[in-house]
Amino acid sequence: KAGVTQTPRYLIKTRGQQVTLSCSPISGHRSVSWYQQTPGQGLQFLFEYFSETQRNKGNFPGRFSGRQFSNSRSEMNVSTLELGDSALYLCASSYGNNNEQFFGPGTRLTVL
Amino acid sequence: GENVEQHPSTLSVQEGDSAVIKCTYSDSASNYFPWYKQELGKRPQLIIDIRSNVGEKKDQRIAVTLNKTAKHFSLHITETQPEDSAVYFCAASMNSGGSNYKLTFGKGTLLTVNP
Repeated sequence: KAGVTQTPRYLIKTRGQQVTLSCSPISGHRSVSWYQQTPGQGLQFLFEYFSETQRNKGNFPGRFSGRQFSNSRSEMNVSTLELGDSALYLCASSYGNNNEQFFGPGTRLTVL
Repeated sequence: GENVEQHPSTLSVQEGDSAVIKCTYSDSASNYFPWYKQELGKRPQLIIDIRSNVGEKKDQRIAVTLNKTAKHFSLHITETQPEDSAVYFCAASMNSGGSNYKLTFGKGTLLTVNP
């Protein structure tokens, strides 16, 4: 089975712009979670989607949003980018009935 | 919400020695505790996990113990090898009725195994 994939792998944006990141889960997995990883804050939960519905949300501002499509692929969007949004954004998929999550390689976002 | 504390933040051992990383959690409802290994520039990978109905789990050189009363769990790596060098993250979450609740991660431990 192919693993979790994320596109793009690297992205450079400037403050005020918006960005959309994509995540394709492992085939058959219906749950997709998103995390932000920074050296200072570690891995922080953004949100989780299951069957196109957001089930859980972390403590991030409304500039961070996401969605999931009927094929379980997920996107996250960050609007009005700030310097502090520079991070590695990881998505993880799971079958849905247990908690074992498989991570993608991440998208490295740099905001200048 | 859940809070996970992880210690130490860095750990250096000699090849062949054992390494222990400890985590505490705050939410007594948490019932799932995975450990992830992240090598430099790579994705986190699950190495072992434990659920609250089990006190200890072992897989070859790695083991995890859970003390629900004290709300802490630990990762034990025996006979360490240089390829064990990585950042290790503990996490906690609550799973109920098939719902996949969010994982709350510790800040990570940088393990260095010196040859």
